[in-house]
Amino acid sequence: SQQGEEDPQALSIQEGENATMNCSYKTSINNLQWYRQNSGRGLVHLILIRSNEREKHSGRLRVTLDTSKKSSSLLITASRAADTASYFCATDAGSSYKLIFGSGTRLLVRP
Amino acid sequence: DSGVTQTPKHLITATGQRVTLRCSPRSGDLSVYWYQQSLDQGLQFLIHYYNGEERAKGNILERFSAQQFPDLHSELNLSSLELGDSALYFCASSVAAVSTGELFFGEGSRLTVL
Repeated sequence: SQQGEEDPQALSIQEGENATMNCSYKTSINNLQWYRQNSGRGLVHLILIRSNEREKHSGRLRVTLDTSKKSSSLLITASRAADTASYFCATDAGSSYKLIFGSGTRLLVRP
Repeated sequence: DSGVTQTPKHLITATGQRVTLRCSPRSGDLSVYWYQQSLDQGLQFLIHYYNGEERAKGNILERFSAQQFPDLHSELNLSSLELGDSALYFCASSVAAVSTGELFFGEGSRLTVL
């Protein structure tokens, strides 16, 4: 079963708008990562947030982590058509040797 | 280009057959992870090797096996193939023994079982 579940499963927005994706997980974690996948391609790492961090920024990306609620969110500001992709959260599920991915959010940014 | 190489890129085979997927990690990376991505199951963790030793197993079927060789490349062997094994198989590598850092993914091997 998946450790993380993204919400929504699909999101369609206009270019220039912000996109917010949420991830919920089940067990305690050491860190949480977000990855991006263009259709049928390999995943690309976006950002990592450790369990003792609450917020992290990287360019147009902002990630928050709430360990009490076992949830994280990824915000992409001022979206572009090139941001169209699937976005996955991944956690170590407390294992140290596994990285378990959620089911992903499919983002469509309309020009 | 992530630096992770997977071969073959595409593979079409019949039920009951056996295939081997190959992964060359990034130079210097000692960890190799295998994942299966199918339409209805998302990205499933299969197995993790570090420097030739198995570190963690996920939802890997008994018909599947993997190993990491002394030169650090890895192979995923899939046998007695079924239609449901059709999927994208990804390999990812990292320098660390533990999954606390970034993984670098290959472009995947697309397996079609007819």
